[in-house]
Amino acid sequence: GAVVSQHPSRVICKSGTSVKIECRSLDFQATTMFWYRQFPKKSLMLMATSNEGSKATYEQGVEKDKFLINHASLTLSTLTVTSAHPEDSSFYICSARDEEGSNMYEQYFGPGTRLTVT
Amino acid sequence: GNSVTQMEGPVTLSEEAFLTINCTYTATGYPSLFWYVQYPGEGLQLLLKATKADDKGSNKGFEATYRKETTSFHLEKGSVQVSDSAVYFCALRDSGYSTLTFGKGTMLLVSP
Repeated sequence: GAVVSQHPSRVICKSGTSVKIECRSLDFQATTMFWYRQFPKKSLMLMATSNEGSKATYEQGVEKDKFLINHASLTLSTLTVTSAHPEDSSFYICSARDEEGSNMYEQYFGPGTRLTVT
Repeated sequence: GNSVTQMEGPVTLSEEAFLTINCTYTATGYPSLFWYVQYPGEGLQLLLKATKADDKGSNKGFEATYRKETTSFHLEKGSVQVSDSAVYFCALRDSGYSTLTFGKGTMLLVSP
């Protein structure tokens, strides 16, 4: 089945630094990937839709200058949290959409990245 | 707009009990419906799905039937196991290229 990986699985950084999270589709190509943020005991909040070769589409209220998204290839999207603050601490989950074959339109989720900003 | 409403948890059951997690939705048109499961510290895994009215999705003993007349997609399992303890998310997608809309999630805790 389709596999999506994320790296790192958890990261601790100091306030004011930047952190990059990678999302890879391992066995399929993904023109479109999604970044979600999950607060404790809360649902997933869609942050942005990442499109290969073009600018990401951010949801209302998400600061695009703070959460930089790059989707430079059909298998890799990155989320960079710039000038991180403790309130950015969260669980970040990516997903990739399969747009070919029998599983067309299915979204496959990565295992998540736990970010802690101290 | 689209929305998904799930019963609030946690749902606490003993092993081998019957499980129902309610899910209702609001959507324009004819969405596809999904149940995802999230085990502690992990991402989401697709548990089952249904793409049209009266379809029944099933997997690992779980099942859910797409009921258009009641706009519902309740998740059921006849006999839960401790290993089923997780958070369950109901979701909809109203077209192939649209994004998923998630409910708030329901935590299931199964005790031996």
